[in-house]
Amino acid sequence: DGGITQSPKYLFRKEGQNVTLSCEQNLNHDAMYWYRQDPGQGLRLIYYSQIVNDFQKGDIAEGYSVSREKKESFPLTVTSAQKNPTAFYLCASSIGFGGSAYEQYFGPGTRLTVT
Amino acid sequence: AQTVTQSQPEMSVQEAETVTLSCTYDTSESDYYLFWYKQPPSRQMILVIRQEAYKQQNATENRFSVNFQKAAKSFSLKISDSQLGDAAMYFCAYRRDLRAGSYQLTFGKGTKLSVIP
Repeated sequence: DGGITQSPKYLFRKEGQNVTLSCEQNLNHDAMYWYRQDPGQGLRLIYYSQIVNDFQKGDIAEGYSVSREKKESFPLTVTSAQKNPTAFYLCASSIGFGGSAYEQYFGPGTRLTVT
Repeated sequence: AQTVTQSQPEMSVQEAETVTLSCTYDTSESDYYLFWYKQPPSRQMILVIRQEAYKQQNATENRFSVNFQKAAKSFSLKISDSQLGDAAMYFCAYRRDLRAGSYQLTFGKGTKLSVIP
């Protein structure tokens, strides 16, 4: 089945440690995205990538880093510089090219708790 | 900058009844796309319905329909014959095109819908 996988579902880290969240898709989508969701805040864009080896900052990129070495993978690293890292993180992908209202497909998310 | 406003943090509906969720947005663009996403307790985001701004006809998907008022920048979601499985957070989203081919979704803060048996 095609889809997006995120692992792990729950992640716990100590303050000051970097942590990497995994996102893999087998939809052959070109574009991939990372969102952060906080209670009462909706989703906010952290980073996005249109093609391999290229990515751009979203609205709240500070304290995060990404890489896109393979089309199907877009890992997100939450660094110790992120002041409030505890949140729910969602990865998404889209076909990315052409017109039409291409939707973004979302993974199941990772709940990160930093203490 | 585009903003999306959902003015109803919580709503409830009796099973089998109809409910309308409100969404307004701000944009200077003339061509854009709007979406409603559903997030059940599993937290998986699921696309409910989409609307192209250049289409005057309101989109429908089975029990879900929208009332798209472009001049008023309003995009409400109507759920007919509500079912227990409709209970979820509903997010309105505006699509903003980024570099050629990719785009960003700007989300509202969501409306939590409860369905009463």
